[in-house]
Amino acid sequence: DAGVTQSPTHLIKTRGQQVTLRCSPISGHKSVSWYQQVLGQGPQFIFQYYEKEERGRGNFPDRFSARQFPNYSSELNVNALLLGDSALYLCASSLDAGLGNQPQHFGDGTRLSIL
Amino acid sequence: AQRVTQPEKLLSVFKGAPVELKCNYSYSGSPELFWYVQYSRQRLQLLLRHISRESIKGFTADLNKGETSFHLKKPFAQEEDSAMYYCALRARQGGSQGNLIFGKGTKLSVKP
Repeated sequence: DAGVTQSPTHLIKTRGQQVTLRCSPISGHKSVSWYQQVLGQGPQFIFQYYEKEERGRGNFPDRFSARQFPNYSSELNVNALLLGDSALYLCASSLDAGLGNQPQHFGDGTRLSIL
Repeated sequence: AQRVTQPEKLLSVFKGAPVELKCNYSYSGSPELFWYVQYSRQRLQLLLRHISRESIKGFTADLNKGETSFHLKKPFAQEEDSAMYYCALRARQGGSQGNLIFGKGTKLSVKP
């Protein structure tokens, strides 16, 4: 089993640019959640998609958006990048939407640096 | 409010010594709690969760509702236990429902 895969592994952007991060869940998992991990902090929830619909949204500005495709892979988009968006972006997949006690499994993350 | 607190940023012990990584939570209702571990250059991985009541790699964690704690314990630390440990709570309310609320993490360093 390949586990959760994320691409790219590293990305460097400048302020004001836009970025798209990608995630493929574990085979059979229908839920994808995105987290932002700033250096020295624990991961913070951004979005969850289940069966291609948004199921949850954390406290992030509208510059952040996401979607899930029919094959359950997902993209996270961030517009008008700010220096504070520099972080490790983690994707996690799960069998269910989170209320059925199924654990979340994480990918390696995408390291985003904003110059 | 739903919150997880890990009071120690760094915990340093010698090999063979007991380890306790502290985790306190704030939650009204029945919590679902997890410990995740991140070894150097590896992804975040699930270590254990309270509903399973299992011991993984010698680690155990007991949910204490009275003290709102879920401390991670191991009687004899090994050098390979050195890693970053995160306590997490499953959110049951609000926009984060179904997802994880993490503490800031504790870095465990086991010295030879």
